[in-house]
Amino acid sequence: DTAVSQTPKYLVTQMGNDKSIKCEQNLGHDTMYWYKQDSKKFLKIMFSYNNKELIINETVPNRFSPKSPDKAHLNLHINSLELGDSAVYFCASSQGTINTGELFFGEGSRLTVL
Amino acid sequence: GENVEQHPSTLSVQEGDSAVIKCTYSDSASNYFPWYKQELGKGPQLIIDIRSNVGEKKDQRIAVTLNKTAKHFSLHITETQPEDSAVYFCAGAAGNKLTFGGGTRVLVKP
Repeated sequence: DTAVSQTPKYLVTQMGNDKSIKCEQNLGHDTMYWYKQDSKKFLKIMFSYNNKELIINETVPNRFSPKSPDKAHLNLHINSLELGDSAVYFCASSQGTINTGELFFGEGSRLTVL
Repeated sequence: GENVEQHPSTLSVQEGDSAVIKCTYSDSASNYFPWYKQELGKGPQLIIDIRSNVGEKKDQRIAVTLNKTAKHFSLHITETQPEDSAVYFCAGAAGNKLTFGGGTRVLVKP
């Protein structure tokens, strides 16, 4: 059973389009995250939700909008896609806050904007 | 905010040799330092972590050391094997935020 699953795994789209990535965790964790990994492998936090409430919102363009319908799901919607949005987006979850223990990552969603 | 620097960016070792990756951090409030391993096409996975009240921790072939005064911590992998080839990330946590280092690509040559 996959602990953190995200779909789609690959996404190729044109500039200006809107797209969504979905994430679900079956670990019963309270906190979920979106990370962006660029072509140089840098991993950067974008958002964090705890029990459906936004707790971290890094300096991310407001074209990116996370939505957490319940604590097991955290989706990412991106409007008006730009070339620089091309990256691998990772969803992750943890029990409690970031420094209480392990982050469990999904396998990533590779977004390519043409 | 926290800044975590990681060196080297790439590391090539012969199978059976040791590998050492070093990280420094800037925020003295950071108190939790995990290490993640990312294999090709997968998400990062925790391999070991250390808290600021501990100087060293070992788990089989991997060990971490932490020097709070100097604000640096290191990962040591002994008797490297081909399956240790991956990208390794250090990270530092202060409050609710985990900041990752830039990653080290480790290649273990058979």
